[in-house]
Amino acid sequence: DADVTQTPRNRITKTGKRIMLECSQTKGHDRMYWYRQDPGLGLRLIYYSFDVKDINKGEISDGYSVSRQAQAKFSLSLESAIPNQTALYFCATSDQGGGVEETQYFGPGTRLLVL
Amino acid sequence: AQKITQTQPGMFVQEKEAVTLDCTYDTSDPSYGLFWYKQPSSGEMIFLIYQGSYDQQNATEGRYSLNFQKARKSANLVISASQLGDSAMYFCAMVRSQGNLIFGKGTKLSVKP
Repeated sequence: DADVTQTPRNRITKTGKRIMLECSQTKGHDRMYWYRQDPGLGLRLIYYSFDVKDINKGEISDGYSVSRQAQAKFSLSLESAIPNQTALYFCATSDQGGGVEETQYFGPGTRLLVL
Repeated sequence: AQKITQTQPGMFVQEKEAVTLDCTYDTSDPSYGLFWYKQPSSGEMIFLIYQGSYDQQNATEGRYSLNFQKARKSANLVISASQLGDSAMYFCAMVRSQGNLIFGKGTKLSVKP
């Protein structure tokens, strides 16, 4: 079984709808992240969480919110989806500590299309 | 500001040959980590290799090695004996002090039979 799972894997929604993307991990990591990937732009950070009570905005948090329900679960919400939020969304996890322990492990991604 | 630059949007390599993918970075942090990820057409992000700024030796993982030149702020990925399955996007990334990664824009590698 995959260590980092994301649901749904694909989603089509309409402008103005609220949607939630979910992420679960079995790696036992404290740190979790949400990224979005747009063609030609690499991955950009939306939100990150170092533990259940620690939530931080990334570089492109406008229009998004998150919830860390448990150590293993981190959800991303689009309160009112707009077409330019069409992208590939990744959840990632990492252990704390320095060096190679900071390696981030990614879920399979969610392809979101906002019409 | 921290930044990752990958100047090769696309690269071609003949099967069984070696290829180098370029990555330069900019940071004022005294300690940092550099990563390479592979993204095949299926979309997942696969961790390949890590290099710490204080590591004395260049990192190696199987056919992957990292040519780390600290003074030049470069961390190039070398893939030896290329295989058709190596065709993918490759991203260089650096971990920031907050713990998140910043990514380059990627290099698309195509391996020709």
